[in-house]
Amino acid sequence: DAGVIQSPRHEVTEMGQEVTLRCKPISGHNSLFWYRQTMMRGLELLIYFNNNVPIDDSGMPEDRFSAKMPNASFSTLKIQPSEPRDSAVYFCASSSDGVYQPQHFGDGTRLSIL
Amino acid sequence: RKEVEQDPGPFNVPEGATVAFNCTYSNSASQSFFWYRQDCRKEPKLLMSVYSSGNEDGRFTAQLNRASQYISLLIRDSKLSDSATYLCVVNLMNTGFQKLVFGTGTRLLVSP
Repeated sequence: DAGVIQSPRHEVTEMGQEVTLRCKPISGHNSLFWYRQTMMRGLELLIYFNNNVPIDDSGMPEDRFSAKMPNASFSTLKIQPSEPRDSAVYFCASSSDGVYQPQHFGDGTRLSIL
Repeated sequence: RKEVEQDPGPFNVPEGATVAFNCTYSNSASQSFFWYRQDCRKEPKLLMSVYSSGNEDGRFTAQLNRASQYISLLIRDSKLSDSATYLCVVNLMNTGFQKLVFGTGTRLLVSP
């Protein structure tokens, strides 16, 4: 079975550029999560969608970050303009509904902003 | 107080040792609990769910103590391949929707 698929795996770009990260959740999962992980802050939830609707975006750092989920099989996280402090590993995860359903993570996108 | 707290370690143990990690959580309304494992430069992967009665999966045993609000993970007969960071995860199930909160992880190093 295909797991959560993220692209690109690595992204290196200069500050000020727009960055778009992509995620395809596991088929049948109706919750999708974007996380950011750094050494200093650990794993932070950025935004959470349920049935394509954003439920909790309180973790989105600032207006430079935006996320969309146009359909059940695709989501994007966009940073515009990017800054060096945005450098991190960005993970997408998905799960089925239900309190006992764990989340399954993609391989992550390693983002470096120069 | 952090919602989920773990000792960051590292725990350095020899092969074959038994090692235990604890994790405390602050919200008594937390509904479900998990242990994830994360290898260096990899994604977190589900190790096991934690049930109220405690549960075992091979060399791994998870326990939940709701009264004291802590979760534990016991690893018996440690293998070199167990070296990783172990993340404690709590589901707050806020307003009908999931809210998984991850601890910062406990690092385990198993040496020959």
